[in-house]
Amino acid sequence: QKEVEQNSGPLSVPEGAIASLNCTYSDRVSQSFFWYRQYSGKSPELIMSIYSNGDKEDGRFTAQLNKASQYVSLLIRDSQPSDSATYLCAVRGYGGSQGNLIFGKGTKLSVKP
Amino acid sequence: GAVVSQHPSWVICKSGTSVKIECRSLDFQATTMFWYRQFPKQSLMLMATSNEGSKATYEQGVEKDKFLINHASLTLSTLTVTSAHPEDSSFYICSARELAREGPQHFGDGTRLSIL
Repeated sequence: QKEVEQNSGPLSVPEGAIASLNCTYSDRVSQSFFWYRQYSGKSPELIMSIYSNGDKEDGRFTAQLNKASQYVSLLIRDSQPSDSATYLCAVRGYGGSQGNLIFGKGTKLSVKP
Repeated sequence: GAVVSQHPSWVICKSGTSVKIECRSLDFQATTMFWYRQFPKQSLMLMATSNEGSKATYEQGVEKDKFLINHASLTLSTLTVTSAHPEDSSFYICSARELAREGPQHFGDGTRLSIL
């Protein structure tokens, strides 16, 4: 059974701090990795995609991938109250079942003013 | 960016009614669309995977006769909840993936279904 694990939180950080969200996955041959943000009562929205080892930066967001450790993370710099949401890690395996994404249960982030 | 339109946003109807939800990819072609359900404070649950021109693949425990899925074109998939009952009340979300299999899934805004 392919799994994606996330700490459910809540993760609470003060405004301006760095929020670090972590995700591990079980399928060693996974190829594509995504972070989604979901506000309460809303649908998920894509924040970052990462496909190769290392860091990928986009504005205040940095995704980090380590395939050897089967670990992907999301850093949010200068956290804002508007970043408070649930962050979903999603993984797609190589040739996976019709290319389905496997989602983690999400980490709830709370940024305190 | 890729846009997925889902309609309607809200549905309130009586028990026994059938409800159709549409999911459209507006600026890209999607051979595969996905239907999810999410209960309050719970995680996304994949219901079915819809492939253009073929039968949908349903996840274990999802009744295919109750949740009818049609994916007639590369830009449109529909989910019909037949003879809906209060326990079907939930947040239904579709997503679509671009033709390149490596790409992300893009989500619609979701449909909040309330059955009285």
